[in-house]
Amino acid sequence: SAVISQKPSRDICQRGTSLTIQCQVDSQVTMMFWYRQQPGQSLTLIATANQGSEATYESGFVIDKFPISRPNLTFSTLTVSNMSPEDSSIYLCSVERGSTYGYTFGSGTRLTVV
Amino acid sequence: GEDVEQSLFLSVREGDSSVINCTYTDSSSTYLYWYKQEPGAGLQLLTYIFSNMDMKQDQRLTVLLNKKDKHLSLRIADTQTGDSAIYFCAEDYGQNFVFGPGTRLSVLP
Repeated sequence: SAVISQKPSRDICQRGTSLTIQCQVDSQVTMMFWYRQQPGQSLTLIATANQGSEATYESGFVIDKFPISRPNLTFSTLTVSNMSPEDSSIYLCSVERGSTYGYTFGSGTRLTVV
Repeated sequence: GEDVEQSLFLSVREGDSSVINCTYTDSSSTYLYWYKQEPGAGLQLLTYIFSNMDMKQDQRLTVLLNKKDKHLSLRIADTQTGDSAIYFCAEDYGQNFVFGPGTRLSVLP
């Protein structure tokens, strides 16, 4: 099956700092998706990252808070900036590998902000 | 490594029941989830089941868990056109989330 390597798997961060989450895919994909799952809630789409263009953010999410990089077709990063305890969540990246293979998800980053 | 498998496609007629199946490899899962993704939207949590349960029913949704066979299913009764979406099963065993590839459910009139 397809592989996404997501790092770090978990982190505990101080309020006001930033954390960058990386996702590396084992093949080239056009679109990568970043999700957040806050405790007790559904996965919420943060943004869609296309290579070579600015990420498209969903309502309620802004680039200054969640800057995304997509330098090539196999890699993306999501930064959670100026963190507060409300940012404590699981963050997941995902790709669609076409109708033949379906979606693949990273294993998630469990972030705790103290 | 851990793996979750699903059939990628399912077509049913409106009014029939849909059964979406999922198999997983890690037996230490604490929670197993079903998510729905409608076009252009993020994943919506439909339901979840604790690993010590065999069945959970919530309105039109029935989740069955067979731990021995590591098999999870989602049954949607009286399937409607609004149920057309991609359905993901996922397991959370404390260390990681592992998602299936998603089953694209098409509801035919």
